[in-house]
Amino acid sequence: DIQMTQSPSSLSASVGDRVTITCRASQNIRTYLNWYQQKPGKAPKLLIYGASSLQSGVASRFSGSGSGTDFTLTISSLQPEDLATYYCQQSHSSPLTFGQGTTVEIK
Amino acid sequence: EVQLVQSGAEVKKPGESLRISCKGSGYTFTNYWITWVRQMPGKGLEWVGRIDPHDSYTNYSPSFRGHVTISTDNSIATAYLQWSSVKASDTAMYFCATCGGDCYSDYWGQGTLVTVSS
Repeated sequence: DIQMTQSPSSLSASVGDRVTITCRASQNIRTYLNWYQQKPGKAPKLLIYGASSLQSGVASRFSGSGSGTDFTLTISSLQPEDLATYYCQQSHSSPLTFGQGTTVEIK
Repeated sequence: EVQLVQSGAEVKKPGESLRISCKGSGYTFTNYWITWVRQMPGKGLEWVGRIDPHDSYTNYSPSFRGHVTISTDNSIATAYLQWSSVKASDTAMYFCATCGGDCYSDYWGQGTLVTVSS
């Protein structure tokens, strides 16, 4: 199985801050990397697919980059509604696997 | 509008059988895989498996293979996740989601809470 490792596990930042979350795959997954946002009590929401493609309707302050084994999700200007847990997921090969999640808190 | 609507919360005793459902609407059901994801209380997302409704081909995570079965009834655009014998450790929220060509999940059900307790 491909292991996905996210860092940090949690972070606290102020409104307007630039926030970066990293995700590392245990083997080359090219750009088969997706990012999801999950707010408390809700289903996950797709933010980024194919490592860098913004899902329709998602705010442009979210962006993704990377290929191979190292990936990044960036929130360019943190907003109060971005309070959530963020997960990366590889869809290169079965079983599809998620990172352990990064919880973003607002200072 | 694409929607996945899941069945309601379940409370079961260990050893009982269980089937939860996920009904798709607003799209051609057989055109997209359905994937199931588990979230245990206070924990992260775990991929259970997926099914191609077109031919019923399934993939399971090794962690779940042999313990759950994924199926569909295309006549009613519904996918199922079932257990023949649930355990307390199956207590979790279960989400269904669509899974397109590169299997990113752009549409999700609202989740079904399964509680297994004696």
